[in-house]
Amino acid sequence: GENVEQHPSTLSVQEGDSAVIKCTYSDSASNYFPWYKQELGKGPQLIIDIRSNVGEKKDQRIAVTLNKTAKHFSLHITETQPEDSAVYFCAASMGGYQKVTFGIGTKLQVIP
Amino acid sequence: GAGVSQSPRYKVAKRGQDVALRCDPISGHVSLFWYQQALGQGPEFLTYFQNEAQLDKSGLPSDRFFAERPEGSVSTLKIQRTQQEDSAVYLCASSSGTPALGTQYFGPGTRLLVL
Repeated sequence: GENVEQHPSTLSVQEGDSAVIKCTYSDSASNYFPWYKQELGKGPQLIIDIRSNVGEKKDQRIAVTLNKTAKHFSLHITETQPEDSAVYFCAASMGGYQKVTFGIGTKLQVIP
Repeated sequence: GAGVSQSPRYKVAKRGQDVALRCDPISGHVSLFWYQQALGQGPEFLTYFQNEAQLDKSGLPSDRFFAERPEGSVSTLKIQRTQQEDSAVYLCASSSGTPALGTQYFGPGTRLLVL
């Protein structure tokens, strides 16, 4: 089955700096890559996603890139704010019925 | 509109007890998923429903775990004879899509603690 690896496991940045989280996946059949933000005591919330026919997608301060050849995808958050502090999960899906395989998560701390 | 809701939010069970966890998906969503999230880990797939049909239960860890969605809406995850290793957050997600990819919307989860 699919295996998603994510790093770093923890990340501390100063407010205003950028944060980058990187993931790799194992199954070349995966074609959908969502990113979720999880705050304490809450369920994961989708923040951005990318499909395999696109190399990059941006939404305000958040951008994702996908390298299908290398099976890498990354999340970039610019101008970080304290409210960005949370656990971020990358994930991969092979489509069809949309079963999603998650990475282990990155705990992001934005220091004011 | 209302999102995915789950109840109870917290459940403490003694080892050996049976528990039932409820998920109310977003109205009209065809697809429903259950995930298990251990402390410090990402969610792991348990099972998937399309309407009332359970199309994939490959992630259920043992035959003590059972899920149903009899009318294609509300779903219940039942764990029989709970064990300490069952302690985790159980997340439910729903999606409007079937063959096409669609966003999965997660509920807040039920935190289960087995003593």
